Parts: sequence; C-alpha cells; structure tokens
Amino acid sequence: QQQVKQSPQSLIVQKGGISIINCAYENTAFDYFPWYQQFPGKGPALLIAIRPDVSEKKEGRFTISFNKSAKQFSLHIMDSQPGDSATYFCAASTSGTASKLTFGTGTRLQVTL
Amino acid sequence: ETGVTQSPTHLIKTRGQQVTLRCSSQSGHNTVSWYQQALGQGPQFIFQYYREEENGRGNFPPRFSGLQFPNYSSELNVNALELDDSALYLCASSWGATDTQYFGPGTRLTVL
Repeated sequence: QQQVKQSPQSLIVQKGGISIINCAYENTAFDYFPWYQQFPGKGPALLIAIRPDVSEKKEGRFTISFNKSAKQFSLHIMDSQPGDSATYFCAASTSGTASKLTFGTGTRLQVTL
Repeated sequence: ETGVTQSPTHLIKTRGQQVTLRCSSQSGHNTVSWYQQALGQGPQFIFQYYREEENGRGNFPPRFSGLQFPNYSSELNVNALELDDSALYLCASSWGATDTQYFGPGTRLTVL
C-alpha cells in the first residue's frame, strides 16, 4: 500500500524556472513531512521539512506548501539551477518512539541551460 | 562533526548466502534506522534501533535482522539472500527516535 504518492515521475525545467513537485498522503496520523534530495551514488540528504501547524515554509530557493485538508504538500524550487538536477523524494512520518519515514517514489529533476 | 558512514560500498553475493552491512552513526546520534532502496524507487523502512533495542520494524521478513552496539554503530544482517534483495541499503541516524534522520551513502548489494 503506497501511503505517499508523488508526481511527476520526471521533470525538465529550464535554468531560472520554477520546479514544482507534488505529494499526497493517506495516513492522517502523519505529522512530519520532509523533502530529501538524492544525487546518483549518494544517500538522500534532508532539504527542508514542515509540520502541519504551518501552511508554508521557505528556506532560500526552496519552499514547502502544505494543505492539511487536502492531505497534499509540494516542493517549489525557485530559480532552478543545473546543480539542482537530482532525484527528489517527499516523505512523511508520525512522531513517537518508532518514527519511520514513508517515502514517495521520487521525482527525477533535470535543469537545462 | 562526522557524518553517517557505511561499509562496504558495494557487495556482490549469490542467492542463498548471508550478508552483513555496517553503519556508523553521526556523532551524538543514538538511533539508527535502515532502509532498502530498490532501483528507481523510494527507500523502504526496514527497522530502527534505539539504545541497542529494535524500536519499530517495517514489512520485511525475519531473515532481515540487525544489531546496535554500545557506541551506537549498527549492523544489518540478511540471511538466505534472494534476487529481489538486490538494492541500495541505507542507514540513517538521529538523536533519539525523532523525525530528522540523516542518511549515509548506502551499500549497493547485488545478488546473483
């Protein structure tokens, strides 16, 4: 059962453009939503994360938008750069002693010149 | 501050064999989680260790087992390897069983 659905599977954006990746979740107990960036041959690296008490969080060029009623959240990358080309994963978890991350299937982003 | 390290980087085994993967947690972290990432997929949670005890397990069979040592490093053991076990195995560490997990580079396991 896929509890976190991610789209699109792949994305091509021109340099300077906005990259938008969307995720939807099913488990209403989820209360932590991180985004991870993964380069080939590397482990995922935490990019930015949000909790459902806020609707938006911005860190530099990266913004998470969160819609609790729709059970959706998205990552926006402003002024996309070729160095942003990577695979992005959304994830979700519940707080507690056995928190575990449930990941989406990933979005492969390519930023062209 | 030392990040999460994993060994070996790559490993090739044959079906039916056993394998042990190792992880050193980030300095100051006492919790280690293991994930399996099949090619083109997101990581799947295997289990978590907190203060040397298993603290949550995903939908993986008992032939996946682990250990955490007093220095908080960890091992993932897989018995009776199957072809579908071929994947990148990721270790993540955190302080306590909190949500912010930091991943190592992974071990690429190939089962022939």
